[in-house]
Amino acid sequence: AQSVTQLDSHVSVSEGTPVLLRCNYSSSYSPSLFWYVQHPNKGLQLLLKYTSAATLVKGINGFEAEFKKSETSFHLTKPSAHMSDAAEYFCVVTSGEGSARQLTFGSGTQLTVLP
Amino acid sequence: NAGVTQTPKFRILKIGQSMTLQCTQDMNHNYMYWYRQDPGMGLKLIYYSVGAGITDKGEVPNGYNVSRSTTEDFPLRLELAAPSQTSVYFCASSYSGGGNQPQHFGDGTRLSIL
Repeated sequence: AQSVTQLDSHVSVSEGTPVLLRCNYSSSYSPSLFWYVQHPNKGLQLLLKYTSAATLVKGINGFEAEFKKSETSFHLTKPSAHMSDAAEYFCVVTSGEGSARQLTFGSGTQLTVLP
Repeated sequence: NAGVTQTPKFRILKIGQSMTLQCTQDMNHNYMYWYRQDPGMGLKLIYYSVGAGITDKGEVPNGYNVSRSTTEDFPLRLELAAPSQTSVYFCASSYSGGGNQPQHFGDGTRLSIL
């Protein structure tokens, strides 16, 4: 069994300040982890993924995430927020093996960027 | 490079009506998926397909049907629309079903059942 918990449903930051979106996971197997972003009235777009290689993963638009097995966390960060980062972010976990049924989505974190 | 295309973008149905949500992809992906997204929730898998002619149930299949006659198309059918099916529906595709394969999403169909 696997699950994912996004610890904050809403995060608000000022433009130019750091972003931290928190995600904890549980998995019976070695997980693969993803962060997706969803802009209003759009589908989900892949930001980055972890698949058992380097624990610090760099994604698009300056985002990165660090896989910490001891803390079962995969937090998403960005050094400096931009207005265009305002969107909803989803953490996703999968077992890394197996079928499409194994994908589990978090409930999402809405990021607001203030001018 | 269209990716995953969903039609229609919006639809209002009356209770008991039926409709088909269309999904097509031009990336030659084998795997395709249908999800629903309810407010404040993550995505829930309705059905998926591992290739033409092969489909299987996901987490929330009741009230829906799918078919996969070609690699490109994966329509989702609602036979008797119910208010509980008001949701945003996303179609996605991936090259394979492996857990490390990212999925590519369409822009969604926003469906209201009144």
